Amino acid sequence: GENVEQHPSTLSVQEGDSAVIKCTYSDSASNYFPWYKQELGKRPQLIIDIRSNVGEKKDQRIAVTLNKTAKHFSLHITETQPEDSAVYFCAASILFGNEKLTFGTGTRLTIIP
Amino acid sequence: EAGVVQSPRYKIIEKKQPVAFWCNPISGHNTLYWYLQNLGQGPELLIRYENEEAVDDSQLPKDRFSAERLKGVDSTLKIQPAELGDSAVYLCASSSGLAFNEQFFGPGTRLTVL
Repeated sequence: GENVEQHPSTLSVQEGDSAVIKCTYSDSASNYFPWYKQELGKRPQLIIDIRSNVGEKKDQRIAVTLNKTAKHFSLHITETQPEDSAVYFCAASILFGNEKLTFGTGTRLTIIP
Repeated sequence: EAGVVQSPRYKIIEKKQPVAFWCNPISGHNTLYWYLQNLGQGPELLIRYENEEAVDDSQLPKDRFSAERLKGVDSTLKIQPAELGDSAVYLCASSSGLAFNEQFFGPGTRLTVL
């Protein structure tokens, strides 16, 4: 089955700086890669996703890049703000396949004011 | 539009007791998921339903866990008997089943087994 690894497990950045979280996946058939943000005690919420037919997607301060050859994808947050502090999870699944999301272990991001 | 609803939000029980969690998905969402989230970990799929059919229950510990989704809407996840290691957050999610595949999560039920 799919295995998703996520790094780093914790990340602290100064407010205004950029943050990068990286994930690798094992199943070359995976073609859908969402990122979820989970604030303390709250539900995971989708913040951005990417499909395997594109290499990069951007939404305001958030961007995701995908390298299918290396089976690697990353989340980039620019101009970080205190409200970006949360746990971020990457995931991988196969659209039109088993639809099962396999999550990474999470990155606790702390923005230092 | 109401989101995914789960109850109870918190549950404390003693080991060997039974416990049940309830989920009401977003209206019109045919696909429903139950996940287990241990502290500091990502959600792990327990079971996935397409309407009332369990299409993936390979990760569900069937000796003590059971689930049902009668009528293809609400779902119940049950543990009997509960063990200490079952303490975790149980998340329910739903999706429309269309190509986009975004899963919307409920707030979860935090289970503590003493």
